[in-house]
Amino acid sequence: AQSVAQPEDQVNVAEGNPLTVKCTYSVSGNPYLFWYVQYPNRGLQFLLKYITGDNLVKGSYGFEAEFNKSQTSFHLKKPSALVSDSALYFCAVRAASGGSYIPTFGRGTSLIVHP
Amino acid sequence: DSGVTQTPKHLITATGQRVTLRCSPRSGDLSVYWYQQSLDQGLQFLIQYYNGEERAKGNILERFSAQQFPDLHSELNLSSLELGDSALYFCASSVYQGSTDTQYFGPGTRLTVL
Repeated sequence: AQSVAQPEDQVNVAEGNPLTVKCTYSVSGNPYLFWYVQYPNRGLQFLLKYITGDNLVKGSYGFEAEFNKSQTSFHLKKPSALVSDSALYFCAVRAASGGSYIPTFGRGTSLIVHP
Repeated sequence: DSGVTQTPKHLITATGQRVTLRCSPRSGDLSVYWYQQSLDQGLQFLIQYYNGEERAKGNILERFSAQQFPDLHSELNLSSLELGDSALYFCASSVYQGSTDTQYFGPGTRLTVL
Protein backbone atom coordinates (compact mmCIF):
# COMPACT_ATOMS: atom_id res chain seq x y z
CA ALA A 1 0.00 0.00 0.00
CA GLN A 2 1.16 3.52 -0.68
CA SER A 3 0.97 6.33 1.84
CA VAL A 4 2.01 9.91 2.36
CA ALA A 5 2.78 11.75 5.56
CA GLN A 6 2.81 15.50 5.96
CA PRO A 7 4.06 15.74 9.53
CA GLU A 8 3.14 19.38 10.07
CA ASP A 9 -0.48 20.52 10.12
CA GLN A 10 0.69 24.11 9.92
CA VAL A 11 3.85 25.96 8.95
CA ASN A 12 4.39 29.59 9.84
CA VAL A 13 7.00 31.71 8.09
CA ALA A 14 7.73 35.41 7.74
CA GLU A 15 7.49 37.01 4.33
CA GLY A 16 10.84 37.01 2.58
CA ASN A 17 12.14 34.01 4.52
CA PRO A 18 12.66 30.59 2.94
CA LEU A 19 9.91 28.05 3.45
CA THR A 20 9.83 24.26 3.59
CA VAL A 21 6.75 22.04 3.65
CA LYS A 22 7.64 18.47 4.48
CA CYS A 23 6.44 15.27 2.84
CA THR A 24 7.51 11.68 3.31
CA TYR A 25 6.12 8.73 1.42
CA SER A 26 5.90 4.97 1.42
CA VAL A 27 5.45 3.00 -1.79
CA SER A 28 6.60 -0.26 -3.30
CA GLY A 29 9.25 0.43 -5.89
CA ASN A 30 9.85 3.81 -7.43
CA PRO A 31 7.49 6.68 -6.69
CA TYR A 32 5.88 9.36 -8.73
CA LEU A 33 5.40 12.39 -6.48
CA PHE A 34 3.22 15.46 -6.80
CA TRP A 35 2.58 18.72 -4.98
CA TYR A 36 -0.70 20.60 -5.18
CA VAL A 37 -1.84 23.87 -3.61
CA GLN A 38 -5.38 24.75 -2.53
CA TYR A 39 -6.40 28.34 -1.97
CA PRO A 40 -9.52 29.06 0.10
CA ASN A 41 -12.72 27.99 -1.61
CA ARG A 42 -10.83 26.75 -4.65
CA GLY A 43 -9.87 23.40 -6.10
CA LEU A 44 -6.38 21.93 -5.95
CA GLN A 45 -3.86 23.39 -8.37
CA PHE A 46 -0.90 21.42 -9.66
CA LEU A 47 2.49 22.81 -8.62
CA LEU A 48 5.07 20.25 -9.69
CA LYS A 49 5.85 16.56 -10.02
CA TYR A 50 8.77 14.18 -9.87
CA ILE A 51 8.78 11.33 -12.33
CA THR A 52 12.44 10.57 -12.97
CA GLY A 53 15.74 12.31 -13.54
CA ASP A 54 17.00 15.34 -11.64
CA ASN A 55 16.15 15.13 -7.96
CA LEU A 56 15.43 18.86 -7.84
CA VAL A 57 12.14 19.67 -9.52
CA LYS A 58 11.11 23.22 -10.33
CA GLY A 59 7.46 24.15 -10.51
CA SER A 60 4.99 26.99 -10.62
CA TYR A 61 5.17 30.24 -8.64
CA GLY A 62 8.85 29.80 -7.75
CA PHE A 63 8.36 26.55 -5.85
CA GLU A 64 10.70 23.61 -6.06
CA ALA A 65 10.91 20.21 -4.43
CA GLU A 66 13.76 17.84 -3.75
CA PHE A 67 13.35 14.11 -4.13
CA ASN A 68 15.44 12.15 -1.63
CA LYS A 69 15.16 8.44 -2.18
CA SER A 70 17.17 7.37 0.86
CA GLN A 71 15.00 9.45 3.16
CA THR A 72 11.80 8.77 1.16
CA SER A 73 11.06 12.47 1.20
CA PHE A 74 9.85 15.08 -1.24
CA HIS A 75 9.93 18.40 0.60
CA LEU A 76 8.50 21.52 -1.02
CA LYS A 77 10.64 24.64 -0.85
CA LYS A 78 10.70 28.26 -1.87
CA PRO A 79 13.64 30.63 -1.31
CA SER A 80 11.53 33.67 -0.40
CA ALA A 81 7.95 33.36 0.84
CA LEU A 82 5.16 35.71 -0.16
CA VAL A 83 2.00 36.46 1.81
CA SER A 84 0.09 35.24 -1.25
CA ASP A 85 1.67 31.78 -0.80
CA SER A 86 -0.56 31.26 2.24
CA ALA A 87 -2.68 28.23 1.36
CA LEU A 88 -3.13 24.51 1.96
CA TYR A 89 -0.47 22.30 0.38
CA PHE A 90 -0.94 18.64 -0.50
CA CYS A 91 1.68 16.04 -1.34
CA ALA A 92 0.63 12.95 -3.31
CA VAL A 93 2.34 9.71 -4.32
CA ARG A 94 1.74 7.02 -6.90
CA ALA A 95 3.67 3.82 -7.46
CA ALA A 96 5.61 3.83 -10.71
CA SER A 97 4.57 0.25 -11.33
CA GLY A 98 2.72 -2.59 -9.73
CA GLY A 99 0.54 -0.45 -7.54
CA SER A 100 -2.49 1.73 -7.90
CA TYR A 101 -2.16 4.55 -10.39
CA ILE A 102 -4.61 6.49 -8.26
CA PRO A 103 -2.59 8.95 -6.19
CA THR A 104 -2.68 8.89 -2.43
CA PHE A 105 -2.82 12.37 -0.94
CA GLY A 106 -1.46 13.57 2.37
CA ARG A 107 -3.72 15.35 4.81
CA GLY A 108 -2.36 18.72 3.81
CA THR A 109 -0.21 21.38 5.46
CA SER A 110 -1.51 24.87 6.04
CA LEU A 111 1.16 27.42 5.16
CA ILE A 112 0.78 30.83 6.77
CA VAL A 113 3.10 33.57 5.62
CA HIS A 114 3.16 36.58 7.93
CA PRO A 115 3.80 40.10 6.57
CA ASP B 1 -8.52 28.20 -14.20
CA SER B 2 -7.88 24.47 -14.65
CA GLY B 3 -10.42 23.97 -17.44
CA VAL B 4 -12.44 21.55 -15.32
CA THR B 5 -15.94 22.77 -14.53
CA GLN B 6 -18.27 21.58 -11.79
CA THR B 7 -21.90 22.41 -11.12
CA PRO B 8 -23.46 23.43 -8.87
CA LYS B 9 -21.00 25.34 -6.70
CA HIS B 10 -23.14 24.97 -3.62
CA LEU B 11 -25.90 22.56 -2.74
CA ILE B 12 -28.00 22.54 0.40
CA THR B 13 -30.37 19.67 0.95
CA ALA B 14 -31.99 17.57 3.65
CA THR B 15 -31.20 14.14 5.01
CA GLY B 16 -32.64 11.32 2.96
CA GLN B 17 -32.56 13.27 -0.27
CA ARG B 18 -30.72 12.53 -3.51
CA VAL B 19 -28.47 14.93 -5.42
CA THR B 20 -26.45 14.88 -8.63
CA LEU B 21 -23.13 16.61 -9.07
CA ARG B 22 -21.84 17.32 -12.54
CA CYS B 23 -18.32 17.58 -13.90
CA SER B 24 -16.95 18.51 -17.31
CA PRO B 25 -13.30 17.56 -17.81
CA ARG B 26 -10.68 19.58 -19.63
CA SER B 27 -10.93 19.36 -23.38
CA GLY B 28 -9.15 16.21 -24.52
CA ASP B 29 -8.98 14.56 -21.09
CA LEU B 30 -10.34 11.03 -21.00
CA SER B 31 -10.12 10.29 -17.28
CA VAL B 32 -12.36 11.72 -14.60
CA TYR B 33 -11.79 11.25 -10.88
CA TRP B 34 -14.09 12.09 -8.00
CA TYR B 35 -12.85 13.05 -4.53
CA GLN B 36 -14.49 13.95 -1.25
CA GLN B 37 -12.81 16.48 1.02
CA SER B 38 -13.86 16.84 4.63
CA LEU B 39 -12.09 18.24 7.66
CA ASP B 40 -11.81 14.94 9.47
CA GLN B 41 -11.08 12.63 6.53
CA GLY B 42 -8.94 14.83 4.31
CA LEU B 43 -9.04 14.22 0.57
CA GLN B 44 -10.55 10.81 -0.18
CA PHE B 45 -10.59 9.23 -3.62
CA LEU B 46 -14.06 7.95 -4.55
CA ILE B 47 -14.07 6.63 -8.12
CA GLN B 48 -12.43 7.00 -11.52
CA TYR B 49 -13.75 6.68 -15.05
CA TYR B 50 -11.72 6.42 -18.21
CA ASN B 51 -13.38 6.98 -21.58
CA GLY B 52 -16.77 5.96 -20.23
CA GLU B 53 -15.70 2.93 -18.23
CA GLU B 54 -15.20 2.59 -14.50
CA ARG B 55 -11.51 1.97 -13.83
CA ALA B 56 -10.89 2.32 -10.12
CA LYS B 57 -12.91 2.49 -6.94
CA GLY B 58 -11.87 3.99 -3.68
CA ASN B 59 -13.77 4.72 -0.51
CA ILE B 60 -17.11 5.16 -2.22
CA LEU B 61 -20.27 4.30 -0.30
CA GLU B 62 -22.91 2.06 -1.84
CA ARG B 63 -25.32 5.01 -1.64
CA PHE B 64 -23.07 6.84 -4.09
CA SER B 65 -22.73 6.10 -7.78
CA ALA B 66 -21.20 7.75 -10.80
CA GLN B 67 -21.04 7.52 -14.53
CA GLN B 68 -19.20 9.05 -17.45
CA PHE B 69 -21.15 9.86 -20.58
CA PRO B 70 -20.11 9.63 -24.24
CA ASP B 71 -19.25 13.32 -24.28
CA LEU B 72 -16.92 12.53 -21.32
CA HIS B 73 -18.73 14.60 -18.74
CA SER B 74 -19.39 12.80 -15.48
CA GLU B 75 -22.05 12.81 -12.82
CA LEU B 76 -21.79 11.74 -9.20
CA ASN B 77 -25.09 10.67 -7.65
CA LEU B 78 -25.46 10.76 -3.87
CA SER B 79 -28.60 9.23 -2.38
CA SER B 80 -30.14 8.70 1.05
CA LEU B 81 -28.02 11.58 2.20
CA GLU B 82 -26.78 11.74 5.77
CA LEU B 83 -25.38 14.62 7.78
CA GLY B 84 -21.92 13.09 7.46
CA ASP B 85 -22.04 13.42 3.68
CA SER B 86 -21.61 17.17 4.01
CA ALA B 87 -18.29 17.91 2.34
CA LEU B 88 -16.55 19.40 -0.66
CA TYR B 89 -16.73 17.15 -3.69
CA PHE B 90 -14.03 17.60 -6.30
CA CYS B 91 -13.77 16.31 -9.79
CA ALA B 92 -10.37 16.03 -11.48
CA SER B 93 -9.40 15.04 -14.99
CA SER B 94 -6.29 13.80 -16.74
CA VAL B 95 -5.40 12.99 -20.30
CA TYR B 96 -5.05 9.25 -19.78
CA GLN B 97 -4.93 7.10 -16.66
CA GLY B 98 -1.22 6.55 -16.27
CA SER B 99 0.72 7.04 -13.11
CA THR B 100 2.61 10.03 -14.48
CA ASP B 101 -0.51 11.91 -15.49
CA THR B 102 -1.17 15.20 -13.77
CA GLN B 103 -4.69 15.58 -12.44
CA TYR B 104 -6.40 18.92 -12.92
CA PHE B 105 -9.04 19.74 -10.35
CA GLY B 106 -12.32 21.58 -10.68
CA PRO B 107 -13.46 24.24 -8.20
CA GLY B 108 -15.60 21.76 -6.29
CA THR B 109 -19.20 21.46 -5.15
CA ARG B 110 -19.88 22.22 -1.50
CA LEU B 111 -22.65 19.94 -0.27
CA THR B 112 -24.45 20.75 2.95
CA VAL B 113 -26.89 18.20 4.32
CA LEU B 114 -29.24 19.56 6.99
